[in-house]
This record gives sequence, structure tokens and C-alpha cells, in this order.
Amino acid sequence: DAGVTQSPTHLIKTRGQQVTLRCSPKSGHDTVSWYQQALGQGPQFIFQYYEEEERQRGNFPDRFSGHQFPNYSSELNVNALLLGDSALYLCASSSLAGVTDTQYFGPGTRLTVL
Amino acid sequence: AQRVTQPEKLLSVFKGAPVELKCNYSYSGSPELFWYVQYSRQRLQLLLRHISRESIKGFTADLNKGETSFHLKKPFAQEEDSAMYYCALSTLYSSASKIIFGSGTRLSIRP
Repeated sequence: DAGVTQSPTHLIKTRGQQVTLRCSPKSGHDTVSWYQQALGQGPQFIFQYYEEEERQRGNFPDRFSGHQFPNYSSELNVNALLLGDSALYLCASSSLAGVTDTQYFGPGTRLTVL
Repeated sequence: AQRVTQPEKLLSVFKGAPVELKCNYSYSGSPELFWYVQYSRQRLQLLLRHISRESIKGFTADLNKGETSFHLKKPFAQEEDSAMYYCALSTLYSSASKIIFGSGTRLSIRP
């Protein structure tokens, strides 16, 4: 099992553009969470998907949206990119079948907005 | 509001010395506390969680609800402990939990 995978590894965009990041969860996991990690900061929760629905959301504007597919993989979309969106975007997967869910993180996608 | 505070950005200790990484939290409910670690060029991974009450790689952490703290400790630091450490909080037994991370502490072990 490769664990959580994310693509692409790196991405460079310009202000105003749109971007889509992808995540495949660990085998057996049904829940995907997305985090933004700015330089020198801890990861910040964006939102979580389960059963193809957004279950919980952090303090991020509507420019950030997502999707979960029937195979549990997920996409994070960011519209109208701002310079401040430059960060490492982390995906984490878990299983809600257990009482407590350990989240496993992917390697991240480094987004640079110029 | 849920919040996790790690007051030290950088902690540098000598090999063999004791280590304590501080973490304080703010949460009105019953929190689940974690320590995550990120070694150089590796992904973020779970080190330990308070409900497990176990020692991982010699590290332990005790939840102190009175002081709202979850400090990470190790009696004798090793060079391979050098890494970025994040304290984190999650809602317990939630059907849609999210993790709130602190800003992290970089631990540097000097030989």
C-alpha cells in the first residue's frame, strides 16, 4: 500500500488562475481531509469529505471547494488564486468505521502563486 | 474556540539530555490530543495520542486537563529525534472530526 498519494508534487500558477489538486486515500480509508500549511506554520484545516459530501469546514473562503469521488479519492479546487494561497497543501485520509480515526498524511502539493 | 499553542519555535538540547516540548490547548469539550512529527524530507506522521497512553520512541505525553497541557517528554534525547513536532487537538468520537494544529516546535539535538 503506497499510503496517501497526492498530485502534482509542485505547481506554479499566477494570480487569478484556478488550480485543482488531487488526493488518493490510503487503502481502506473512506474519509479525506485537506489542510493548508503556510511556511513556518502548522497545517490549517480546510475541509473534510465523507460519502462524497463535505462534512466539516474550516475558516476558508468559498474560493476553496472540493469533491470526493465514489472511489474515495478527492480533489481540492481553488479559484481566483491570490499570492497568499501559496502554501503546501496536505491531504489526510482516515476511516470513520473506527471509534477514533487516525489521519494519515500525504506528502503534499507545493503551490506557488506568482 | 479551539486552539493549540506551542510556545517554542525552536528547542535545542544536547544528546542524552531530557527533552520537553510544551503544548497548551483551549477547548470547551473533551479533547483528543496528539503529537505529530515530521522528519526531514518525510511526511507528517502520528507520533502518539493521549488515549493510547503509550510510549513511542521513548516519548510520552500526559494530558493535564487542569492546566490544559499536553507536553511531550523524553528522558534522554537521541540525534534521530531531530525533527519538527506538532501538537494537535481533535474532537473526540466525532463523526466529522478535524484536527487543529499548533505552529510547531523544531527540535534540534546536538551531538
